Amino acid sequence: GQNIDQPTEMTATEGAIVQINCTYQTSGFNGLFWYQQHAGEAPTFLSYNVLDGLEEKGRFSSFLSRSKGYSYLLLKELQMKDSASYLCAVLDSNYQLIWGAGTKLIIKP
Amino acid sequence: TAGITQAPTSQILAAGRSMTLRCTQDMRHNAMYWYRQDLGLGLRLIHYSNTAGTTGKGEVPDGYSVSRANTDDFPLTLASAVPSQTSVYFCASVSGGENNEQFFGPGTRLTVL
Repeated sequence: GQNIDQPTEMTATEGAIVQINCTYQTSGFNGLFWYQQHAGEAPTFLSYNVLDGLEEKGRFSSFLSRSKGYSYLLLKELQMKDSASYLCAVLDSNYQLIWGAGTKLIIKP
Repeated sequence: TAGITQAPTSQILAAGRSMTLRCTQDMRHNAMYWYRQDLGLGLRLIHYSNTAGTTGKGEVPDGYSVSRANTDDFPLTLASAVPSQTSVYFCASVSGGENNEQFFGPGTRLTVL
């Protein structure tokens, strides 16, 4: 079967750095996405990795290792507004997105 | 630009009743999707449409039907609602660009009693 694993919840301090991990087992791979979802709102796109390595976009970076079936999202200089759920999703061989359950990130002052 | 709109925002529905959730996009995206999101579970695909006139079943299609008469609209119908269909429903479309980004509507919160 297809599976996306990520921690259910993480807590971090304002101004700090946090890394959210995602491991996947899917039928085929056509890219990995990270989305941010604030409570009661729709998911919004953060990043897309299809090749191994690190993609940096401002305070957010995303890393992919296809051989290990592993990705992480790195958030730097955390702000209170970063409190949200972070969803990992993989585009499988049929170009359908398989979603993880999401990691709820709690930022404390 | 409105992007993707969904209606209604929320609804309470009696079990056994039918209902259509509306989704409209103005971005001329070919592919559209319907997901449901439940606590503790990832987004689960109900139905999808790769282009106007075609539809396909996702992971959890039972109890739902869709149509795609044109590019902009992708309604989701519950023929006879059951309490297990209580969920938040998101419609999404794909840009088709190099990153395959999905754009989401604001969601419909449905409660079936």
